[in-house]
Amino acid sequence: GQQVMQIPQYQHVQEGEDFTTYCNSSTTLSNIQWYKQRPGGHPVFLIQLVKSGEVKKQKRLTFQFGEAKKNSSLHITATQTTDVGTYFCGQGGSEKLVFGKGTKLTVNP
Amino acid sequence: SQTIHQWPATLVQPVGSPLSLECTVEGTSNPNLYWYRQAAGRGLQLLFYSVGIGQISSEVPQNLSASRPQDRQFILSSKKLLLSDSGFYLCAWESYRGTEAFFGQGTRLTVV
Repeated sequence: GQQVMQIPQYQHVQEGEDFTTYCNSSTTLSNIQWYKQRPGGHPVFLIQLVKSGEVKKQKRLTFQFGEAKKNSSLHITATQTTDVGTYFCGQGGSEKLVFGKGTKLTVNP
Repeated sequence: SQTIHQWPATLVQPVGSPLSLECTVEGTSNPNLYWYRQAAGRGLQLLFYSVGIGQISSEVPQNLSASRPQDRQFILSSKKLLLSDSGFYLCAWESYRGTEAFFGQGTRLTVV
């Protein structure tokens, strides 16, 4: 079945450093969704990418969808302590919603 | 507006006891419904999903079952819990178009 692989599994940064998590699939994705889960909380939707090569920004967060629609990335510029949590990518659309294993981000103040 | 309710928030159950977790959605119709399990510090494992009443797809062989008796109600059950069933269970819904998913608050289950 459809699988999305996400790396790295963990990332620890100093506050102010940048952070990137990557999502890869062996098959073409109809869309890619990104979610954030704060410690002790539930995943919250961040964004959906649909078009090949699409780039979207939300303040310090930049989301990209690869030209071949097989990979995606989330980049956070100048991390803050409020960015801590686990970031998940997921394949949805007409398919069942399955997620990568997530990247757990910790930020040292 | 749409809301999703999942209860209870925490649950401690003995091994061998039954389980019933309920999830209901308000403000939408014909949603796709999901049950996920998250082991401590791990990813979201898809357990079951449903595209309509009585339509359940199981993703992994396990000690659990799911039912959808009504359009906006999704139930996760077990006849006899195992220690390995412990985890954080999340219900989610998405529109049939699949544009984004909304998660319930989750149930933290500890089997002792």
